[in-house]
Amino acid sequence: NAGVTQTPKFQVLKTGQSMTLQCAQDMNHNSMYWYRQDPGMGLRLIYYSASEGTTDKGEVPNGYNVSRLNKREFSLRLESAAPSQTSVYFCASSEVSWPGANVLTFGAGSRLTVL
Amino acid sequence: DAKTTQPNSMESNEEEPVHLPCNHSTISGTDYIHWYRQLPSQGPEYVIHGLTSNVNNRMASLAIAEDRKSSTLILHRATLRDAAVYYCILRGETSGSRLTFGEGTQLTVNP
Repeated sequence: NAGVTQTPKFQVLKTGQSMTLQCAQDMNHNSMYWYRQDPGMGLRLIYYSASEGTTDKGEVPNGYNVSRLNKREFSLRLESAAPSQTSVYFCASSEVSWPGANVLTFGAGSRLTVL
Repeated sequence: DAKTTQPNSMESNEEEPVHLPCNHSTISGTDYIHWYRQLPSQGPEYVIHGLTSNVNNRMASLAIAEDRKSSTLILHRATLRDAAVYYCILRGETSGSRLTFGEGTQLTVNP
């Protein structure tokens, strides 16, 4: 059982380039999330999808777009990468977004460097 | 959103119990208290959660104060593998889907 799978694991971009981070879960979860983690800091929510067909902004959505392709897959796109987007990106999923008892399962992370 | 306060770091010795505190004085009645941990170079993993009563699972125990303004994660016998950043998070009506992680507590386990 793979859980949450993120690709790629590592990526180096030049300023202005675009790329898409892919995330897939095999747990039949309804909700999916994208977080970023900067060195020595906690995780900040970028976007989330409470259910298939819906997406909402989190704390730090600027510079990103997302697509909930189907129930399994949730992608994060950087249209024009900036050095400030250098970070480790984590995808997560949960059975539902509410109630508060639901827990998140995280992927292993994608380390992105923007030069 | 209700916030949590945790010490930046704690140390323990291997095979000894560890008590990790968390203050959440503005918790609402519908907020669940969740704990996650993040091992080096890995994604966070769920540890335990509770609402009002103390909880036990194979990983840890969660002790919740009667007024719910604080809680303690208890690792009964720390191992080297338990060295991680531990996050105490409130998840419920006030946070909705916006599961917000603070900076957590860095636990060091000495052999």
